[in-house]
Amino acid sequence: SQTIHQWPATLVQPVGSPLSLECTVEGTSNPNLYWYRQAAGRGLQLLFYSIGIDQISSEVPQNLSASRPQDRQFILSSKKLLLSDSGFYLCAWMGYGANVLTFGAGSRLTVL
Amino acid sequence: AQKVTQAQTEISVVEKEDVTLDCVYETRDTTYYLFWYKQPPSGELVFLIRRNSFDEQNEISGRYSWNFQKSTSSFNFTITASQVVDSAVYFCALSEGSGGGADGLTFGKGTHLIIQP
Repeated sequence: SQTIHQWPATLVQPVGSPLSLECTVEGTSNPNLYWYRQAAGRGLQLLFYSIGIDQISSEVPQNLSASRPQDRQFILSSKKLLLSDSGFYLCAWMGYGANVLTFGAGSRLTVL
Repeated sequence: AQKVTQAQTEISVVEKEDVTLDCVYETRDTTYYLFWYKQPPSGELVFLIRRNSFDEQNEISGRYSWNFQKSTSSFNFTITASQVVDSAVYFCALSEGSGGGADGLTFGKGTHLIIQP
């Protein structure tokens, strides 16, 4: 069966520090991968999605970036965090033709 | 552009009451998919249902039921005989096109449902 892992679960970082959140999927190949952010009272915002290795689409311009170095690995990064980057980040995957997003457990980021 | 509106920010009911969560969507496509997800306090989103635009049949799954009406662009979710474990944030979502959402889903802002014992 397919599983999705996301870490770290919680992160407290100072303003200006770098960020790396990692997501991996097991039990499937060539999944579509997604990063969403959930800020308080603002629902879920799609940040990036990827249909294959090194193929990244950005939905919202910001100081975040995403990379997909391997088929089932999706990384969310920042060189310098802002206070506004605080939030709950969710990784998700979708199988080809499956049309349903399956989410990881999320990473809660607090920027101080 | 696609848009999902969940006008109810928070709903509080007493256990065993029925409750309906509203969802209104906007899309220019004739082919689209609608979803409901549940987010319990743990944070992980749990898939509940998917409905495509060509299937307007209502669906019932245990205490959960969904009413899809294209005429009013609504996809409402009803919980019958609510229980404390139903307390969560519920999200309605939309994906456009026959591709089935490969470029991601558009979510509403969610409705926080509180079931009081």
